Amino acid sequence: KQEVTQIPAALSVPEGENLVLNCSFTDSAIYNLQWFRQDPGKGLTSLLLIQSSQREQTSGRLNASLDKSSGRSTLYIAASQPGDSATYLCAADSNYQLIWGAGTKLIIKP
Amino acid sequence: ETGVTQSPTHLIKTRGQQVTLRCSSQSGHNTVSWYQQALGQGPQFIFQYYREEENGRGNFPPRFSGLQFPNYSSELNVNALELDDSALYLCASSPPGRAKNTEAFFGQGTRLTVV
Repeated sequence: KQEVTQIPAALSVPEGENLVLNCSFTDSAIYNLQWFRQDPGKGLTSLLLIQSSQREQTSGRLNASLDKSSGRSTLYIAASQPGDSATYLCAADSNYQLIWGAGTKLIIKP
Repeated sequence: ETGVTQSPTHLIKTRGQQVTLRCSSQSGHNTVSWYQQALGQGPQFIFQYYREEENGRGNFPPRFSGLQFPNYSSELNVNALELDDSALYLCASSPPGRAKNTEAFFGQGTRLTVV
């Protein structure tokens, strides 16, 4: 049974810092790994999708990596801004469903 | 290209009542999945519909049921509401063929409160 864990549960850093969010999964037989952003009380915004055959994806200041052998994915945020404050969730695509971590709540202090 | 839209955005129901939530999938998408997200937790998979047929189901009781229509819009029905059903319900659509490496696009969700 696939399980997804995100560490840390919460993170508070000053504006401008580079930071890394971690996601681990127990079953390496995934089709892809997606990172999402969720603002308080809102739905989910897709940030990056890494297919199982890929090692990383980049979009602007965001870079996500995938290591299936170790069951890990990381989301790197460069030059953080207060607008990056949100909860970040990763989800492993296991056949027809997404299996989710509980998220990392990120606060960027001005 | 229209995105995924859900209605209503907020809903308050009494324990024991029934509720229907609606989702319009993104243009060109024929797969719809529903998730339940309790406060402070990650979403949990309820079920998926592909071409009007249920294509997979998570660990939810039968009182959670769904439909997909010919235009690929979908409904989530919950009978005999319980207090623990209070959550954000999210709908996601995916492109045709349910190719394995496709991105899921989410609506803004319906916040259901059961009192």
